[in-house]
Amino acid sequence: SQTIHQWPATLVQPVGSPLSLECTVEGTSNPNLYWYRQAAGRGLQLLFYSVGIGQISSEVPQNLSASRPQDRQFILSSKKLLLSDSGFYLCAWSPQKQARNQPQHFGDGTRLSIL
Amino acid sequence: GESVGLHLPTLSVQEGDNSIINCAYSNSASDYFIWYKQESGKGPQFIIDIRSNMDKRQGQRVTVLLNKTVKHLSLQIAATQPGDSAVYFCAAADSGGYNKLIFGAGTRLAVHP
Repeated sequence: SQTIHQWPATLVQPVGSPLSLECTVEGTSNPNLYWYRQAAGRGLQLLFYSVGIGQISSEVPQNLSASRPQDRQFILSSKKLLLSDSGFYLCAWSPQKQARNQPQHFGDGTRLSIL
Repeated sequence: GESVGLHLPTLSVQEGDNSIINCAYSNSASDYFIWYKQESGKGPQFIIDIRSNMDKRQGQRVTVLLNKTVKHLSLQIAATQPGDSAVYFCAAADSGGYNKLIFGAGTRLAVHP
């Protein structure tokens, strides 16, 4: 069966520090991968998605970047964190590159607090 | 563009009652919809999905109804249990492809004994 892992589960970082959040998927090949941010009590905002190694699409302009160095690895990064980067970050995958109408499956997220 | 909304931010029900959570969408071309359940501190968990060629789909204790005429879908939970307490999200397929989804803001379901 397929599983998705995110780490760390929680992270407290000072303003201006760098960020690296990692997401890996097991049990599937060539997944679509997604990064979301969820503000407290709100819905999910899509930040990035990837349909293959090295292929990243950004949905909203922001202080963050994403990379996909391996087929089942998705990384969310920042060079200098802002207070507004605080939130709950979720990684998700869906089967089959470019397939439509498939559910996305989520990891358990990283809660990021910026001080 | 597509937007997905929920009618109520919070729904309180008695244990054992049926729950109905509603969702409206704006894009009449949307052809795929999903309901997710999110417990505190966890990621959304897939509950049930429905394609636009269907009006109704049933799972274990859950039913999703789709009314394409008024662009509305609902999630019905039968015999609601304390473990059903969570935030429920509906999502619609983005017409842009790549299996992207557009999420509503969520409804918090509180189950009281």
